[in-house]
Amino acid sequence: AQTVTQSQPEMSVQEAETVTLSCTYDTSESDYYLFWYKQPPSRQMILVIRQEAYKQQNATENRFSVNFQKAAKSFSLKISDSQLGDAAMYFCAYRSNSGGSNYKLTFGKGTLLTVNP
Amino acid sequence: ETGVTQSPTHLIKTRGQQVTLRCSSQSGHNTVSWYQQALGQGPQFIFQYYREEENGRGNFPPRFSGLQFPNYSSELNVNALELDDSALYLCASRRGGNYGYTFGSGTRLTVV
Repeated sequence: AQTVTQSQPEMSVQEAETVTLSCTYDTSESDYYLFWYKQPPSRQMILVIRQEAYKQQNATENRFSVNFQKAAKSFSLKISDSQLGDAAMYFCAYRSNSGGSNYKLTFGKGTLLTVNP
Repeated sequence: ETGVTQSPTHLIKTRGQQVTLRCSSQSGHNTVSWYQQALGQGPQFIFQYYREEENGRGNFPPRFSGLQFPNYSSELNVNALELDDSALYLCASRRGGNYGYTFGSGTRLTVV
């Protein structure tokens, strides 16, 4: 079974600074997706960024980028120029690409990000 | 896109009762999954429906059941509620292929 570990329960960053959230995962599969989701107090999970395992190039979405190290099974999220609206719980998630019920998402326990003005 | 809508937003039930939570997905989203998120935890996969058939289940007992309807709505039913069932229940839907999931804002269930 796949597992996702987020070792930082809480992180804080000053507005306009950069912060990196850590995630490691365990799988025996080679074809999968990794995600970072943001969950603000409104509770809705919002997709921040997605990485396909067979792509070596790290995904980027505006101020958000990842450092995907497939051999080390590491998938960190970097938030540049942090904004007050970035404050939320961030979840790392894994999804197999082998079809059927394996399309389920396996989540880590989350990292609570605080942005200080 | 109209998003994923869940109802009700909050619910309080008594231990032993039954509850039905509802989710309305976007048109064309033929796959729907339900997740349970306990306080301070990441969401846990309950089950998934594809074209009205359950095609995957997590480590949840049979008293957790579901339905998916042709109009892209779905239900999560929980019988014989226990105190540990208190959680945020999230619905997520997607189209086929490699499209990502769209989540609803969840139903907060409290069992007393």
